[in-house]
Amino acid sequence: DIQMTQSPSSLSASVGDRVTITCQASQDISNYLNWYQQKPGKAPKLLIYDASNLETGVPSRFSGSGSGTDFTFTISSLQPEDIATYYCQQYDNLPTLTFGGGTKVEIK
Amino acid sequence: EVQLVQSGAEVKKPGESLKISCKGSGYSFTSYWIGWVRQMPGKGLEWMGIIYPGDSDTRYSPSFQGQVTISADKSISTAYLQWSSLKASDTAMYYCARHGTISDPWGQGTLVTVSS
Repeated sequence: DIQMTQSPSSLSASVGDRVTITCQASQDISNYLNWYQQKPGKAPKLLIYDASNLETGVPSRFSGSGSGTDFTFTISSLQPEDIATYYCQQYDNLPTLTFGGGTKVEIK
Repeated sequence: EVQLVQSGAEVKKPGESLKISCKGSGYSFTSYWIGWVRQMPGKGLEWMGIIYPGDSDTRYSPSFQGQVTISADKSISTAYLQWSSLKASDTAMYYCARHGTISDPWGQGTLVTVSS
């Protein structure tokens, strides 16, 4: 099974800060990686697909990069509404999937 | 509109059985995988397993194999997640989602509480 290691597990940053989250796969998954945002009490929402493509309607301050085993998710300028937990998800061996452990983003 | 609607919250006792549901609409239900994701209180997302309603091909995460049963009734566009004997540790929110290269849409979640 492919394991996804996400870090950090939590972070605190100020409004306007650049925030970076990383996700490492236990084997090469090409660009078969998505990023989701989950707010308390809500279902996850797709932000980035295929490692670097912004889902329609998602603000451009969100971005993703990487391929192979190492991936990065960035919020270029943190906003109060971005408070949430973010998850990476690999789909290299569909139909089985794996999520990263999540990163909780808080405002300092 | 493509959507998944899940059954309501459940409160059960240890040892009881349970079957929760996820009804799809607005798309060809038999043409997409439907999966289940567990989220224990204050914890992350755990992928449990997946079914292809067109032919009932079902796969499980090793962590959940033998612990739950996933099924589907394509005649009513509904997928199910079932337990034969609940434990307190099954207390969690359970989400269904349409899975392909992306997981979208998601159901609203079903909260399962197991307590004596």
